[in-house]
Amino acid sequence: NAGVTQTPKFQVLKTGQSMTLQCAQDMNHNSMYWYRQDPGMGLRLIYYSASEGTTDKGEVPNGYNVSRLNKREFSLRLESAAPSQTSVYFCASSGEVGDWGEQYFGPGTRLTVT
Amino acid sequence: AQSVTQPDIHITVSEGASLELRCNYSYGATPYLFWYVQSPGQGLQLLLKYFSGDTLVQGIKGFEAEFKRSQSSFNLRKPSVHWSDAAEYFCAANTDKLIFGTGTRLQVFP
Repeated sequence: NAGVTQTPKFQVLKTGQSMTLQCAQDMNHNSMYWYRQDPGMGLRLIYYSASEGTTDKGEVPNGYNVSRLNKREFSLRLESAAPSQTSVYFCASSGEVGDWGEQYFGPGTRLTVT
Repeated sequence: AQSVTQPDIHITVSEGASLELRCNYSYGATPYLFWYVQSPGQGLQLLLKYFSGDTLVQGIKGFEAEFKRSQSSFNLRKPSVHWSDAAEYFCAANTDKLIFGTGTRLQVFP
């Protein structure tokens, strides 16, 4: 049982490049989330998907897009990377629709934009 | 606005000493409350949660937390810290979205 997996683990981009962060969960969870973690700021929600077929903005959505490809997979896309998007990105999932509490986290993707 | 505050950015304790990490929340109603732990280079792992009922909740790894409504607090405690407890600890709360505190980094000296 892998839980929540994320690829890649590390990525370096130049300003203006695009990339997609992949996330998959094998726990049959309905809800999935993308967070970014910056020093001294805790985790901030970028986008979430309460159930397959729906996505909504979180606290810091600007510069990102998401796709809930199916129940298992939820990707995060940076269309034109900026240095301000240098961060560690975490994907999470939870069991029930709107079950915001007990979230299970992936290992993270460390992204550097130069 | 809803918020979660962890007033201690960094705490250092000796192995075997007791530990208390502070967390305060600001919500109109009592939210669901959580403590997560993050080891270096890892994702977050749930330590414990409070939804309702008994205000003292037990978690994994020997941690417990006490909910105090009058103080809007949910402090995490452990009676005897082990070197492997060195990590970053996040308090979180939700009513409709999960909001995290900024974290407390715990360092343990032998």
